[in-house]
Amino acid sequence: AIRMTQSPSSFSASTGDRVTITCRASQGISSYLAWYQQKPGKAPNLLIYTASTLQSGVPSRFSGSGSGTDFTLTISCLQSEDFATYYCQQYYSYPFTFGPGTKVDIK
Amino acid sequence: QVQLVQSGSELKNPGASVKVSCKASGNTFTTYAINWVRQAPGQGLEWMGWINTNTGNPTYAQGFTGRFVFSLDTSVSTAYLQITSLKAEDTAIYYCARAEVRGEAPIEAPNWFDPWGQGTLVTVSS
Repeated sequence: AIRMTQSPSSFSASTGDRVTITCRASQGISSYLAWYQQKPGKAPNLLIYTASTLQSGVPSRFSGSGSGTDFTLTISCLQSEDFATYYCQQYYSYPFTFGPGTKVDIK
Repeated sequence: QVQLVQSGSELKNPGASVKVSCKASGNTFTTYAINWVRQAPGQGLEWMGWINTNTGNPTYAQGFTGRFVFSLDTSVSTAYLQITSLKAEDTAIYYCARAEVRGEAPIEAPNWFDPWGQGTLVTVSS
């Protein structure tokens, strides 16, 4: 199975900050990578697919980049509603796997 | 706009069975993948597998064979997850999530997951 890792696992930030989350795959997955946001008690919500395509309705402060094994999710100007846990997921090969998540909380 | 609405929370005894439903509304149910994802309390997301809503063919991830069954009732645009012989470690929130299917059988697979159902909490306890 392809192992997905994320860094950092958690961090504190302030509104207005630019934040970057890294996701690494244990083997190449081309651009078959999605990013999801999950708030407490809620289902995950798709932010980015094919590594860099912004899902319709998602604010443009979110962006994704990378291909192969290394990927990043960037939030250009953190808003209060962005405090959540973020997961990357590869859908390149079975079994599909998620990263362990990155929790962003308020400093 | 497709929405997935799941059935409500369940409390089951060990050894019992549970059937979680996932009803699609707002668009055609056919030719999509319905994926199932498990989230144990305080833990991350684990993909269980998917079912092709056109062919009914299920694909199970390792660790989700035997006691886990995916099924469909296309007449009511609903997918089901049945878990038999429940164990305490099955306690989790179970999500369904739709995806488009890429490729053709036998080499077909889901793409990214959107939308997701709201989740169904299954608690296994005596």
